[in-house]
Amino acid sequence: KAGVTQTPRYLIKTRGQQVTLSCSPISGHRSVSWYQQTPGQGLQFLFEYFSETQRNKGNFPGRFSGRQFSNSRSEMNVSTLELGDSALYLCASSLRGFIQLETHNEQFFGPGTRLTVL
Amino acid sequence: AQSVTQLDSHVSVSEGTPVLLRCNYSSSYSPSLFWYVQHPNKGLQLLLKYTSAATLVKGINGFEAEFKKSETSFHLTKPSAHMSDAAEYFCVVSDREAAGNKLTFGGGTRVLVKP
Repeated sequence: KAGVTQTPRYLIKTRGQQVTLSCSPISGHRSVSWYQQTPGQGLQFLFEYFSETQRNKGNFPGRFSGRQFSNSRSEMNVSTLELGDSALYLCASSLRGFIQLETHNEQFFGPGTRLTVL
Repeated sequence: AQSVTQLDSHVSVSEGTPVLLRCNYSSSYSPSLFWYVQHPNKGLQLLLKYTSAATLVKGINGFEAEFKKSETSFHLTKPSAHMSDAAEYFCVVSDREAAGNKLTFGGGTRVLVKP
């Protein structure tokens, strides 16, 4: 079974531009979460989608948005890029939505998209 | 609100010696706790998880962790380090009463294994 895939793996953008990152979850997984990883802030939760609905959102400005399609694939968009948006963006998928109710539910992470903003 | 503190940002061990990575958590509810490992230029891999069953949890590659509610700790151990264990390790908490899959990560512990 293929793992979580993220495209592109690397991106270079300039300040003020916008960017769209894509994530394809493991087949059959319906929940997709996004995380930002930076040396200064570590790993931070961005948002989670389940059945095309955003269910959880982290403390990020409105420039960060996302969506999920009917096939569970997800995209995240960052508008008006800032230098501080340079990071590794990780996507994770899980079989169902309520992790705490599922003893075997876990999140599987993709390799990430490394975004550099110049 | 939930939070995780990894007490050591870097740990250096010799190959064949024990590894101890310390983690303390704060959670309003009954938490699920995880350890993930990240090798350079790779995604995160789940080592083990605690979800209120046995307090001593065994994971992959010889790692184990013990949940101690009274100490709000979830330390990760391995009896004998291998060169391939060099990586960054993250302690993670998920509130079990909160809806959804929001994970809160600790700051990470980078492990160096000396030959």
